[in-house]
Amino acid sequence: AQSVTQLDSHVSVSEGTPVLLRCNYSSSYSPSLFWYVQHPNKGLQLLLKYTSAATLVKGINGFEAEFKKSETSFHLTKPSAHMSDAAEYFCVVTNLITGGGNKLTFGTGTQLKVEL
Amino acid sequence: GAVVSQHPSWVICKSGTSVKIECRSLDFQATTMFWYRQFPKQSLMLMATSNEGSKATYEQGVEKDKFLINHASLTLSTLTVTSAHPEDSSFYICSAREPGRAPSEQYFGPGTRLTVT
Repeated sequence: AQSVTQLDSHVSVSEGTPVLLRCNYSSSYSPSLFWYVQHPNKGLQLLLKYTSAATLVKGINGFEAEFKKSETSFHLTKPSAHMSDAAEYFCVVTNLITGGGNKLTFGTGTQLKVEL
Repeated sequence: GAVVSQHPSWVICKSGTSVKIECRSLDFQATTMFWYRQFPKQSLMLMATSNEGSKATYEQGVEKDKFLINHASLTLSTLTVTSAHPEDSSFYICSAREPGRAPSEQYFGPGTRLTVT
């Protein structure tokens, strides 16, 4: 079984300040982890992914995430928020399921608000 | 990048009627498409996986006779909600995967908001 928990449903930051979106995972096997972003009326867009290589993963738009197995966490960070970062963010876990291929399991999402 | 569209973006229908939602891959061929459902304040839940030219595989608890999925071409999959009821009101999202891509690499559509009155 696999699951992800996004600890904050809403996060509000000021423009230019750091962003931290928290995600904890549970997986019976070595997981692959992803962060997706969803802007209003747009499809989910892949920000970054971890697939058992480097534990610090860099993504698009200055975002990065660190896989910490000891803490079962995969928090998303960005040093300086921009107004265009305001969106819904989803943490996603998957692993190889015998006979079924990879199935994506989504967190409940974190709404990021960026204020002037 | 690869683009997936959905039509309509929102739809309102009366209880007991059927509604069809289309999912198209615009600039690539998708051998596999996925349908998800998202309730307010909840995560996306996979409903079914469809492969072009074959029957869809439904997740446990999803009624295949109620949620009809057709993937007749490499660029189009449709989800038909039959005899819709208010509890079917939800946000439906499709995704598509290119041939040869990792199973987890999916491109998502913008979603369709269904309201059943």
